[in-house]
Amino acid sequence: DTEVTQTPKHLVMGMTNKKSLKCEQHMGHRAMYWYKQKAKKPPELMFVYSYEKLSINESVPSRFSPECPNSSLLNLHLHALQPEDSALYLCATKDRGLAGAGGEQFFGPGTRLTVL
Amino acid sequence: AQKVTQAQTEISVVEKEDVTLDCVYETRDTTYYLFWYKQPPSGELVFLIRRNSFDEQNEISGRYSWNFQKSTSSFNFTITASQVVDSAVYFCALSEALKAAGNKLTFGGGTRVLVKP
Repeated sequence: DTEVTQTPKHLVMGMTNKKSLKCEQHMGHRAMYWYKQKAKKPPELMFVYSYEKLSINESVPSRFSPECPNSSLLNLHLHALQPEDSALYLCATKDRGLAGAGGEQFFGPGTRLTVL
Repeated sequence: AQKVTQAQTEISVVEKEDVTLDCVYETRDTTYYLFWYKQPPSGELVFLIRRNSFDEQNEISGRYSWNFQKSTSSFNFTITASQVVDSAVYFCALSEALKAAGNKLTFGGGTRVLVKP
């Protein structure tokens, strides 16, 4: 199984809502990433987990809260978002955690988020 | 700081034409990794190739080929005999070898390729 799955595909939420994005992989990869991609721009790194521990937070506002309950699952909890947070949110995985430098990242299909 | 530049924002070709996408990078690291990803309209980034900084061999995979030139800091990508299914945004990316860097991918701005029938 070489897939990274993300749910939901689309999400519309109000600024007072709380929602979560989910990412799942069964490739045994030990590094997992959240990226944000605005229209016509490249992806921007948000968070990196290595062996289920948060390793890198790219100064992301606290209204985004990541969680890695186990080695197959990565969540992104959303609360009190702003309209400018509307974007495509991509999950990616890489084998061997951060100790294995240079491996390619495999991306999921993304969740397209709209904040009203 | 790392930087990846894709000077071509959009390229339009007719089916069966060849198309070359340029990628120029900057890094102070002596060990680094270069990647190309394809993003079709569906949104998912599809991994195409990885190249290590110490391996300057060019590579061909079907209709795709890559030309890595360390001397000019370039990693160009050619699609031969393009097809409509090649229409997508293509990203060149660079990652450091340092563990502390999280294997962060620094992406270029992307090149949109439109292949017309």
